[in-house]
Amino acid sequence: GQQLNQSPQSMFIQEGEDVSMNCTSSSIFNTWLWYKQDPGEGPVLLIALYKAGELTSNGRLTAQFGITRKDSFLNISASIPSDVGIYFCAGLNSGGSNYKLTFGKGTLLTVNP
Amino acid sequence: ETGVTQSPTHLIKTRGQQVTLRCSSQSGHNTVSWYQQALGQGPQFIFQYYREEENGRGNFPPRFSGLQFPNYSSELNVNALELDDSALYLCASSLRTGGWTGELFFGEGSRLTVL
Repeated sequence: GQQLNQSPQSMFIQEGEDVSMNCTSSSIFNTWLWYKQDPGEGPVLLIALYKAGELTSNGRLTAQFGITRKDSFLNISASIPSDVGIYFCAGLNSGGSNYKLTFGKGTLLTVNP
Repeated sequence: ETGVTQSPTHLIKTRGQQVTLRCSSQSGHNTVSWYQQALGQGPQFIFQYYREEENGRGNFPPRFSGLQFPNYSSELNVNALELDDSALYLCASSLRTGGWTGELFFGEGSRLTVL
């Protein structure tokens, strides 16, 4: 089945630093989404990407939909302590009867104040 | 606007028992998806319900079943519980109008422990 590989698995950074993480797939997706999960909570949608090559920002977050449709990147600029959490990428092949999001295993981000 | 609510938040069962988890979808949403999240893993798709019918199913056996009610709330039932069923069960609601964007709004989850 489809698998998403997220890297890195974990990151330890200092407050104020920029962060980059990515997600690659063996198959093509036509939608990429990024979610963040805090401890004891469900994932929260950060950014959705619907077009190959698309670059979308949400505040300090910027995500890109790779042109091959097999990868996506998330960047966080000027990190702050509340950025701590697990970041998940998710891919979707919409259309037909496919309503399944495939999630990666997540990137655990720790920010030292 | 009311978000997605799940109950119970935590529960402990023994092997072989049955469990029912409940979910109220966000106001204005008509679709409910269920995901299983094992410790240290990403969520795994179980199934989605739309118009009270199952619409797509992940790689889960038939002992995982569900319902959606006319008010769009949903239940997840798991029979003959196994130790590996221990996980966080996440409900997510969304709006389908023709196509589906994949934009899910998750509840806080129900933490199931099977002993």
